[in-house]
Amino acid sequence: GAGVSQTPSNKVTEKGKYVELRCDPISGHTALYWYRQSLGQGPEFLIYFQGTGAADDSGLPNDRFFAVRPEGSVSTLKIQRTERGDSAVYLCASRLNRDTEAFFGQGTRLTVV
Amino acid sequence: KQEVTQIPAALSVPEGENLVLNCSFTDSAIYNLQWFRQDPGKGLTSLLLIQSSQREQTSGRLNASLDKSSGRSTLYIAASQPGDSATYLCAVREGGSEKLVFGKGTKLTVNP
Repeated sequence: GAGVSQTPSNKVTEKGKYVELRCDPISGHTALYWYRQSLGQGPEFLIYFQGTGAADDSGLPNDRFFAVRPEGSVSTLKIQRTERGDSAVYLCASRLNRDTEAFFGQGTRLTVV
Repeated sequence: KQEVTQIPAALSVPEGENLVLNCSFTDSAIYNLQWFRQDPGKGLTSLLLIQSSQREQTSGRLNASLDKSSGRSTLYIAASQPGDSATYLCAVREGGSEKLVFGKGTKLTVNP
């Protein structure tokens, strides 16, 4: 596609439920990132994929968060037993190689009630 | 731990004014630095990418400079327009890391 696509754009879920957020990177981009942005803050790193493997997952806050990229393209961020503190905008980005720009999607606004 | 600071947090200017946004980082061992724009409720739009070996990059009315040794970057916007109103974010990628570390942004308002 022309840009990074994230679905859904908005997600409201009840505390304790499971959610999946999807990211379609720019075609051909091997590097994919997930970030989380709270109101008034800059994005915070969650996880980085190079191809199919999670090369750096040091930003995942706890074991309720997990992400996959099984075929090296689309990625899914999975959050189990959601808590109200998980409410934020989840951003996905992709990059062609280490010397090029990172391009971000429009984000998924997650609200846990 | 790398920390990125953006000053000012908010800026309001009349249309047509030239302006400078500042970004500072604590660890000078960066791989590159990227400036983004974020409109309310939207994702990030990449504006400029500066590699660590470069001093500046230009795109249209935007010019970004990098002084790696002093841990500073500036984004210069010439002849500002109301459409430039947005939050501007600076992010650095450290050498040996794939993470982008962001500042909190500068919220710019350009008044007609």
